Amino acid sequence: DAGVTQSPTHLIKTRGQQVTLRCSPKSGHDTVSWYQQALGQGPQFIFQYYEEEERQRGNFPDRFSGHQFPNYSSELNVNALLLGDSALYLCASSLSYSSNEKLFFGSGTQLSVL
Amino acid sequence: GENVEQHPSTLSVQEGDSAVIKCTYSDSASNYFPWYKQELGKRPQLIIDIRSNVGEKKDQRIAVTLNKTAKHFSLHITETQPEDSAVYFCAASIRYTGFQKLVFGTGTRLLVSP
Repeated sequence: DAGVTQSPTHLIKTRGQQVTLRCSPKSGHDTVSWYQQALGQGPQFIFQYYEEEERQRGNFPDRFSGHQFPNYSSELNVNALLLGDSALYLCASSLSYSSNEKLFFGSGTQLSVL
Repeated sequence: GENVEQHPSTLSVQEGDSAVIKCTYSDSASNYFPWYKQELGKRPQLIIDIRSNVGEKKDQRIAVTLNKTAKHFSLHITETQPEDSAVYFCAASIRYTGFQKLVFGTGTRLLVSP
């Protein structure tokens, strides 16, 4: 039973570029959430996808966008990269509308913006 | 919005001692409180969680307590071992219409010395 998988593991970009990160949820999960974890901080909620729609969004600008596919996998896109976007981007999956709230994280994508 | 404060930021103990990490949340509607352990360069891993209708939960050497009135919850680790060394994050969640969003504390770096 595969857990949450993310790709790539590391990425280096320059300011102004665009980036796409990918996530496959844990088997049986239908909801994908994305978090940004800056160095030395706790993860910050970016947004959440269910049934291919954005259901909740945190306090992040429109430069951050996402998508969910029919197989429940998801992408996070960031446009016009800033130095401050350098962080570990974590994908988490869960099963919505269930009594089980447990959220499982992937290993993350370490994004460095130069 | 929801805010979670976590203390201490660092905690050093001797092997065999107990460790306690405390968190405070702001939104009284929060109803789910997980704890995650994150080792250096790895994903956050769920170690224990508690719902708002329960005051205490224990799993071997780990326990979590919740005081809804004071909006406090704590992680207790007994008989600490060097492999318990990691960063621990508390989180609080409000479940709206089937979806949950975690708000994380800033983390506690636990160092267990042999």
